[in-house]
Amino acid sequence: QITLKESGPTLVKPTQTLTLTCTFSGFSLSTSGVGVGWIRQPPGKALEWLALIYWDDDKRYSPSLKSRLTITKDTSKNQVVLTMTNMDPVDTATYYCAHVVVTAMGFDPWGQGTLVTVSS
Amino acid sequence: QSALTQPASVSGSPGQSITISCTGTSSDVGSYNLVSWYQQHPGKAPKLMIYEVSKRPSGVSNRFSGSKSGNTASLTISGLQAEDEADYYCCSYAGSSTFDVVFGGGTKLTVL
Repeated sequence: QITLKESGPTLVKPTQTLTLTCTFSGFSLSTSGVGVGWIRQPPGKALEWLALIYWDDDKRYSPSLKSRLTITKDTSKNQVVLTMTNMDPVDTATYYCAHVVVTAMGFDPWGQGTLVTVSS
Repeated sequence: QSALTQPASVSGSPGQSITISCTGTSSDVGSYNLVSWYQQHPGKAPKLMIYEVSKRPSGVSNRFSGSKSGNTASLTISGLQAEDEADYYCCSYAGSSTFDVVFGGGTKLTVL
């Protein structure tokens, strides 16, 4: 059974850097074809893809946020970390991580999500 | 890269069938058979319902089906049930050169 769980601060100030950790079980990020993605959802709004990291350490970012995002993995700890710099109130959202198989590109399953509020 | 276009809302009565469209471009939906659909109930994480245009994950009801024609993908739910009321999002792979993944704006399904 694959599970994922996001962790990190619930409140950050404008201009600060957000660091979120996705801790997973039930699969290995060293297995060929496997990846972990980050997706966010502002309150009442649609899903927005942020970043993906694959088993071979290939990293992909949303072009609109690429300059602010960094995704890394720690295979030994079964963790993926997403950092987002220069946070703004418009970045207030629930942030999800999800497992993905490259050949299918379906995010399954998702973590429960973590709400991050950006406010001074 | 713009989000995929979905209708804001659709509705249907129990037992009926509904279809949600998802319109992209020749760079995403039209180029790859990597369209997925997600169901999201209020306050919950999204759940994968369809992947690779028309495949159902284990445990997903066969009342849910997917298809694609050109730049438009569709999700059909037959035999509507009250528990199908939720938000639905489509998603497409868009190639590794720019936007790898793009989501639709979401569709609110109301079961009357």
